[in-house]
Amino acid sequence: EAGVAQSPRYKIIEKRQSVAFWCNPISGHATLYWYQQILGQGPKLLIQFQNNGVVDDSQLPKDRFSAERLKGVDSTLKIQPAKLEDSAVYLCASSTWAGTRWMEQYFGPGTRLTVT
Amino acid sequence: DAKTTQPNSMESNEEEPVHLPCNHSTISGTDYIHWYRQLPSQGPEYVIHGLTSNVNNRMASLAIAEDRKSSTLILHRATLRDAAVYYCIPTKHGNTPLVFGKGTRLSVIA
Repeated sequence: EAGVAQSPRYKIIEKRQSVAFWCNPISGHATLYWYQQILGQGPKLLIQFQNNGVVDDSQLPKDRFSAERLKGVDSTLKIQPAKLEDSAVYLCASSTWAGTRWMEQYFGPGTRLTVT
Repeated sequence: DAKTTQPNSMESNEEEPVHLPCNHSTISGTDYIHWYRQLPSQGPEYVIHGLTSNVNNRMASLAIAEDRKSSTLILHRATLRDAAVYYCIPTKHGNTPLVFGKGTRLSVIA
């Protein structure tokens, strides 16, 4: 079974530029999460999708971050304009209902963003 | 969300058992205890979860205190590949986001 795919793996941009990250979840997984992990901390949720609808985006800085999941499969997370404090690893995870319970979350390798 | 307390770091010799503690004294009655780990330069991966009874799987064992205010993740024979940050996460067992703390960084010495 293929895992969660993310691209790019690394990105370096200057502050005030824009950037986009892509995630392809495990096939058939209806739930998709984006997490932000700042160096030395645990991941923090940015947004949760169920199919192509947003379940929770309360921690997404909406003045600069946006995310979409068209057709309920792939997802894109965008930052515009980027700030120095956005330097972090952006992790995508997916999960699904396994018939009798919700499965654990499967994480991708992450995209490491450096803002200079 | 229940607050968790874990040691910042632990060290183990290769092929020795490792006991990773977690205190979650404010856990609610319906929260499961999940453990995830994050190897260097990778995303977190699921290790094990439980509610009240002790649990075993191919990766580890989970011992849950009778009052559910603490739990211990047990790696029976640590290998170099087990060097990672281990996160203890009380959460509703459903379609809910994970709330990560700082976790315990485990070092394994050959």
